[in-house]
Amino acid sequence: AQSVSQHNHHVILSEAASLELGCNYSYGGTVNLFWYVQYPGQHLQLLLKYFSGDPLVKGIKGFEAEFIKSKFSFNLRKPSVQWSDTAEYFCAVIPGRGGYNKLIFGAGTRLAVHP
Amino acid sequence: DTEVTQTPKHLVMGMTNKKSLKCEQHMGHRAMYWYKQKAKKPPELMFVYSYEKLSINESVPSRFSPECPNSSLLNLHLHALQPEDSALYLCASGGGASPGSYEQYFGPGTRLTVT
Repeated sequence: AQSVSQHNHHVILSEAASLELGCNYSYGGTVNLFWYVQYPGQHLQLLLKYFSGDPLVKGIKGFEAEFIKSKFSFNLRKPSVQWSDTAEYFCAVIPGRGGYNKLIFGAGTRLAVHP
Repeated sequence: DTEVTQTPKHLVMGMTNKKSLKCEQHMGHRAMYWYKQKAKKPPELMFVYSYEKLSINESVPSRFSPECPNSSLLNLHLHALQPEDSALYLCASGGGASPGSYEQYFGPGTRLTVT
């Protein structure tokens, strides 16, 4: 079955530290890839997306992600985190050439940033 | 504007009640979705409507009945629910005019408690 794996369930960082959250998916063909963030008490927000082109994509709030096809990975990065980045982060995939299909989510990574 | 609105924010209902959840988007998106999210879990797809027609039903029990009256509105009718149906119900919309624009935008959700 198609699945998305997020390696870190909980990450704790100090402000200004660099962040990398891992994401791997199991689908072998074309994929549409996404990272969503859920701040405490808020709704899911789209951070960034990839469906084709430059494998390094930039999103909102200084986040970026790199699609490495050979590794089936789409890791999220941020050079310097802030306390306001404390949230839960979900990697998600739509297998195939996209379309109005379901997002397959990873289990999520809870990030806590300490001042 | 990428806003999806949902009403009500909270709902408490008994197992014999009938209630409805409502969702609205005015972004001209072609698809609308219902997801269910249990605590500390990622969202799971329930239904997809594309071009106002039901295109995906993820084997959801018939006590959940979706309806798409027009391209901007999506309802979820609830009847004879069980306590285990208590969850956050998320609506999403997506599918704009740009190629590859399959990202989904989520509303804040309705927190449902079944007593």
